[in-house]
Amino acid sequence: DIQMTQSPSSLSASVGDRVTITCRASQSIVNYVDWFQQKPGKAPKLLIYTGFHLQSGVPSRFSGSGSGTDFSLTISSLQPEDFATYYCQQTYSSPYTFGPGTKLEIK
Amino acid sequence: QVQLQESGPELVKPSETLSLTCSVSGYSISSGYYWGWIWQSPGKGLEWIGSIYHSGATFYNPSLKSRVTISVDTSKNQFSLRVTSVTAADTAMFYCARGSADKRVPLDTWGQGILVTVSS
Repeated sequence: DIQMTQSPSSLSASVGDRVTITCRASQSIVNYVDWFQQKPGKAPKLLIYTGFHLQSGVPSRFSGSGSGTDFSLTISSLQPEDFATYYCQQTYSSPYTFGPGTKLEIK
Repeated sequence: QVQLQESGPELVKPSETLSLTCSVSGYSISSGYYWGWIWQSPGKGLEWIGSIYHSGATFYNPSLKSRVTISVDTSKNQFSLRVTSVTAADTAMFYCARGSADKRVPLDTWGQGILVTVSS
């Protein structure tokens, strides 16, 4: 199975900050990574698919990049509604595995 | 606007079968698309269980394949999940979602989830 790791596991930041969350795959997955946002008590929400494609309705302050084994999700200017947990998921090879999550908290 | 809603027993006894249904509104399953199940437990995080195409073709997480069945009922616009021989380790929040979970179609719409507890 392809293992997905994320760093940091938690992060404190302020409104307006630029934040980057990284995700690493245990083998190359080309650019087949999706990113999700999850708020407490809610289902995950798709933000980015296939590396860098912004899902419809998602603000443009979210962006994805990377290829091979290293990927990142960047929020250009944090808004209050962005404080949540973020997960990456590889869609390259079954089983389609998720990272452990990065919890983004208010500083 | 597509919406998904999970339903089923929230308490299941060990060794029994867990059965959940996902009702889809705003989109006809028979029109196409993939549909999937994902669970989330405190110990194991998010885990893809399996997916089904509207035609009934399925693909499963190999680690669960022996215990899991996903089926679709286009007449009811629903798809379902069965997990046999459950244990306490199967206690989790279960989500249904639109998408294949692989590179074909991302998991772009999710149900609100249903918490299933396995306990006697």
